[in-house]
Amino acid sequence: GAGVSQTPSNKVTEKGKYVELRCDPISGHTALYWYRQSLGQGPEFLIYFQGTGAADDSGLPNDRFFAVRPEGSVSTLKIQRTERGDSAVYLCASWSSGTSGGYNEQFFGPGTRLTVL
Amino acid sequence: QKEVEQDPGPLSVPEGAIVSLNCTYSNSAFQYFMWYRQYSRKGPELLMYTYSSGNKEDGRFTAQVDKSSKYISLFIRDSQPSDSATYLCAMSVPGTYKYIFGTGTRLKVLA
Repeated sequence: GAGVSQTPSNKVTEKGKYVELRCDPISGHTALYWYRQSLGQGPEFLIYFQGTGAADDSGLPNDRFFAVRPEGSVSTLKIQRTERGDSAVYLCASWSSGTSGGYNEQFFGPGTRLTVL
Repeated sequence: QKEVEQDPGPLSVPEGAIVSLNCTYSNSAFQYFMWYRQYSRKGPELLMYTYSSGNKEDGRFTAQVDKSSKYISLFIRDSQPSDSATYLCAMSVPGTYKYIFGTGTRLKVLA
């Protein structure tokens, strides 16, 4: 596709359940981010992939959160034992190449709106 | 104190007005400064980025950075109802691939 896609667009789950959120980056983009955006807040960094490996996962809030990118393209964010506080929009972004600390144009997907009841 | 502060608004202006959006930051090491626009239920899209202190212009948009004051601004000239969105500032953390975002300012341009 032309842009970053994320599925599902909306996910409603019950407290304690497991969820998976999927991100399809722009074809050929090696770098991929996950962010969490709570209501009225800006995106908060969760994890950064360069290729298949998580180069920086320091933003994951706790060990209930995990992300994979096994073939260096599609990524899945996994949340175990969901809590009401996990309710937010989860955004994915990708770019083709870049430098640390520099300018790299990230292309964002539309996000997955997660609601934990 | 947050590393990046941004007034959440909402900011309402009449069509054609000049809009000024601002962020302040505490980390003098931030290198690149970006402005994103986010429409409701969409992902952010990059509007402009700057590196050094000074102004950068692109059409109706001007980004301004004052590193000595740790203050950045985005000006929108001849604002249009289609400019109604949330505007996010973001800054790159040196030595990392992280970006710190402000909370966003909600702008409404009234026809």
